[in-house]
Formats: sequence, C-alpha cells, structure tokens
Amino acid sequence: EVQLVQSGAELTKPGESLRISCRGSGYKFADYWILWVRQRPGKGLEWMGVIYPGDSDVRYSPAFQGHVSISVDTSIATAYLQWSSLKASDTAIYYCARRFGSSSIWFDSWGQGTLVTVSS
Amino acid sequence: EIVLTQSPGTLSLSPGERATLSCRASQSVKPSHLAWYQQKPGQAPRVVIYGAANRATGIPDRFSGSGSGTDFTLTITRLEPEDFAVYYCQQYSSSPPDYTFGQGTKLEIK
Repeated sequence: EVQLVQSGAELTKPGESLRISCRGSGYKFADYWILWVRQRPGKGLEWMGVIYPGDSDVRYSPAFQGHVSISVDTSIATAYLQWSSLKASDTAIYYCARRFGSSSIWFDSWGQGTLVTVSS
Repeated sequence: EIVLTQSPGTLSLSPGERATLSCRASQSVKPSHLAWYQQKPGQAPRVVIYGAANRATGIPDRFSGSGSGTDFTLTITRLEPEDFAVYYCQQYSSSPPDYTFGQGTKLEIK
C-alpha cells in the first residue's frame, strides 16, 4: 500500500527556522515526483514546489521561490519542506502528495498534513 | 501561469439531485493534465477524476468529468450525503512547471 506519512504538528515563533517531513512507503520512492501544497485556514490549495527524488530536481512555484526550500533524502525515502525564518502568515496545513502518471498527470496519494502554527 | 476559475463558489443541493461544477482556465489545458480533487473537513484531498474524464480508483460511477481546451466540468449525479465537500480542479503544464489549483467549489447540503 502506497503511503505518505508526514511529521507532526509544530508550534513555532516568528523568525524561527523549521523543517517538516514526508516519508513514503509501499513504492519506489525515487521514481515519483513529490508535491508540497499549502492550505491556509479556511482557504484553498496552493502548490509550493515539486521534487524528483531520483535526482533531487526541484521546481518551485513563483509564489514560493526564495521563501522555502525543498529537499529529499532517498536513503530514508523522505522529502522535506524547510523555512529559514517563519512568519505568522506561514500558519497553515502543509500537505505532500505523490505525482502519478506520465501521459496523464495527477496526485494519487496524499500525506495526512502537517499543521504549522507561527505565533509569538 | 495558468489561472483556474471555478464556479459556483458554493453550490447548495439536496441528496439525490445532480451537481454540475465548472472549471475555466485562462489558457488551454491538455485534458490529460486536468484533475479534480475532493476535500472533506479535516482530511487531505483525494483525487476523484484524472485526465479530465477518468474516474480514480474507488470513485463511484455517479462521478463524471468532461471538457477540453479552457472549459471543464465535474458532474455528480444522484448526490449522496458523503459527496458534500469542497472540490478543486487542478492542472499541470510543463513549460514552466505549473500545478495550479482552482479556488474550489463548496458543495453543501441544502
């Protein structure tokens, strides 16, 4: 069974750094792009960036370029989303998802989400 | 960057009725790169339609998708109580890479 399991909820302060994780299992992790998505409270889904674990190729949404960093450790089948200096506006649920398909492209498996709360 | 506009923002219907959700793109989208996701409160999204018209695994046949170019539709016939949720369309384009979501349509019980 394909599963993406994300790290637990975080409560942090403005200006702090943070890294959250997404561990894949049940499939060959290196072969599938991983997407990161932000969902602010009561709002819609925003794509942040994608990473291909096989070669660590990362593509960022223009809205998030320079604000976050996406990385991967294929030895432990884990993708990461990282901030160097959080803001209150980063408070959101963050999801990872696996990209499936080649001719058709969609996201077939999602993590359970990680709630990040940034508050002084 | 392609913008996806979903309408209506909220759709109020009763169980047993038919729901028609629209997704309009600012530029032409390949049907193979258009998907629909369902999100219930407190849950992650899950795919219901991929490739504009293909039901994902485990999705009942009352769900169907159609469309091409800039206009796509998700139709749910005979609404069941478990269908009431927020639905998002999402597209992929490759140059540059873009995975934009629409703003969502909330399907609520009338």
